[in-house]
Amino acid sequence: EIVMTQTPPSSPVTLGQPASISCRSSQSLVHSDGDTYLSWLQQRPGQPPRLLIYKISNRFSGVPDRFSGSGAGTDFTLKISRVEAEDVGVYYCMQATQFPWTFGQGTKVEIK
Amino acid sequence: EVQLVQSGGGLVQPGRSLRLSCSASGFTFDDFAMSWFRQAPGKGLEWVGFIRSKVYGGTTEYAASVKGRFSISRDDSKSIAYLQMNSLKTEDTALYYCSRYGGRADYWGQGTLVTVSS
Repeated sequence: EIVMTQTPPSSPVTLGQPASISCRSSQSLVHSDGDTYLSWLQQRPGQPPRLLIYKISNRFSGVPDRFSGSGAGTDFTLKISRVEAEDVGVYYCMQATQFPWTFGQGTKVEIK
Repeated sequence: EVQLVQSGGGLVQPGRSLRLSCSASGFTFDDFAMSWFRQAPGKGLEWVGFIRSKVYGGTTEYAASVKGRFSISRDDSKSIAYLQMNSLKTEDTALYYCSRYGGRADYWGQGTLVTVSS
């Protein structure tokens, strides 16, 4: 099983300031088809998860461009360029390269 | 508009069974795989299982924690995915989500709560 390690567990951020979340996998997430199935999801309080980023860096439909993803192999990062109040919630990285699919432990983004 | 509407949750005793449904609309259901996830109270997300589209054989994959007890099926004529849960344990208590999968888990259901307790 691929273990996903996410840091930090909590990120207090001032409105308008950037935030960064790191996700490291225990083995390469490059699939045999050449793609890397690393996604980032946002879960606002009381809501289902929402896809933000897929295949490392592709923003899903309707996701603001202040969200960006980067990385390769085993190291990945989600960045929020300027945190807004609506960004409060828990963020998860998820790998779907290999079964069983696995998640990071989550990073709680909150406003200072 | 893509929508996934879930139903079938509730309170059930340990050892009993429950079936969850995920009714899809707004897209060609046959073309997509579907996946199930869960979230125990106050915990993170956990993948439960996956069913491929019929084009890819309609085969399934499961997490070790549910393999042999849970099964996923699909009725393409009704655009519904199912999660059949047997031999339920107290540790299966969670909010269960279905999701459409086409190279990414892009649309999610609203979630349905399953509580396993005597």
